[in-house]
Amino acid sequence: EPEVTQTPSHQVTQMGQEVILRCVPISNHLYFYWYRQILGQKVEFLVSFYNNEISEKSEIFDDQFSVERPDGSNFTLKIRSTKLEDSAMYFCASSGRDSYGYTFGSGTRLTVV
Amino acid sequence: RKEVEQDPGPFNVPEGATVAFNCTYSNSASQSFFWYRQDCRKEPKLLMSVYSSGNEDGRFTAQLNRASQYISLLIRDSKLSDSATYLCVVNMGGTASKLTFGTGTRLQVTL
Repeated sequence: EPEVTQTPSHQVTQMGQEVILRCVPISNHLYFYWYRQILGQKVEFLVSFYNNEISEKSEIFDDQFSVERPDGSNFTLKIRSTKLEDSAMYFCASSGRDSYGYTFGSGTRLTVV
Repeated sequence: RKEVEQDPGPFNVPEGATVAFNCTYSNSASQSFFWYRQDCRKEPKLLMSVYSSGNEDGRFTAQLNRASQYISLLIRDSKLSDSATYLCVVNMGGTASKLTFGTGTRLQVTL
């Protein structure tokens, strides 16, 4: 079964540092997403990406966040200057044309210290 | 009002029991509805889509009431392996549309 792959599975970074979270979506999917889940809280939408541009972003997705699809297979989330409150599980997802085939990656647990 | 509201639980039930979860959503323009399952520190996994006519998948039955903006999930003959958090999820529809998650209802099935 096709899957969404995320790396690394766990990243620890110092406050103020930049991090890049990587995702390889399912190859024939067209829509790509990042969600996050702070420990003990609900899964929250960050951003959707289609046709090489952002389709929608949430209030959480401020200027410190950016997304990129640099080479046609990877989909990255960059956090420019991490804060303690960025500590969370970050899930990448992709979906097909009808948005019904949503598949989540296994997540990257980001810990900011 | 929260966009998607669920009773957080936990629901502690013995093996073999029937358990029901409820969910309400605030946006009447929501297009599609799902139940996801999430194990501790894992990604959400689609359990089933929810249709107005009601749908069943083995021991799981989901129901949608658009007039009341209410979604339900019934699990019959609970197994230990059903222990997880069940997430009510709503989609506004359209291309590249986001999913809106409830906080989840935790289920613990015991011997």
